[in-house]
Amino acid sequence: GNSVTQMEGPVTLSEEAFLTINCTYTATGYPSLFWYVQYPGEGLQLLLKATKADDKGSNKGFEATYRKETTSFHLEKGSVQVSDSAVYFCALSLNTNAGKSTFGDGTTLTVKP
Amino acid sequence: GAVVSQHPSRVICKSGTSVKIECRSLDFQATTMFWYRQFPKKSLMLMATSNEGSKATYEQGVEKDKFLINHASLTLSTLTVTSAHPEDSSFYICSAPPGLAGNEQFFGPGTRLTVL
Repeated sequence: GNSVTQMEGPVTLSEEAFLTINCTYTATGYPSLFWYVQYPGEGLQLLLKATKADDKGSNKGFEATYRKETTSFHLEKGSVQVSDSAVYFCALSLNTNAGKSTFGDGTTLTVKP
Repeated sequence: GAVVSQHPSRVICKSGTSVKIECRSLDFQATTMFWYRQFPKKSLMLMATSNEGSKATYEQGVEKDKFLINHASLTLSTLTVTSAHPEDSSFYICSAPPGLAGNEQFFGPGTRLTVL
């Protein structure tokens, strides 16, 4: 079956620190990969995505590269801000599955000034 | 971008009553919507897939008679929690894939249900 494993949190960083949140996956087909972000009290928002191997998704200073050889999609940001404090979810979706996604358990990031 | 709304955002009800939560796609049509329950430790649990014009598909372990799903139109799905109990208190989130390449989902803002 399909599964997503992401780094357990919580992660606490100081402002301007470098962020990495690891994500690995297993899939029965060739998935698209996503990072979603959830701010306190809100639903999830798409942060970035990649649909094929070696694609790099990027948004708001965050990046993740689709690595087929290591089945990974690690999220990185060079300099985090307090406003980046949120829960981050890694997810995959197969084109054959009508949009149904498999999510990791989420990683809580807290950035302190 | 595509927008999904949920109503209500918060609801408090007495044990034994039923609560209806609406999920609407505002600027696209969705033949499929998904309902999730989010537990306090933040993991998302897929409850069911709502299919326009047909019965919902429930995930294993989800009681279909307790969590009634109706996908009445291409822009509206409803989740009714019947005979609610305190253990049903949770954050319920819906999502819809807008049919774009890549199969991302657009999420509603969530509904916080508290059963007293």
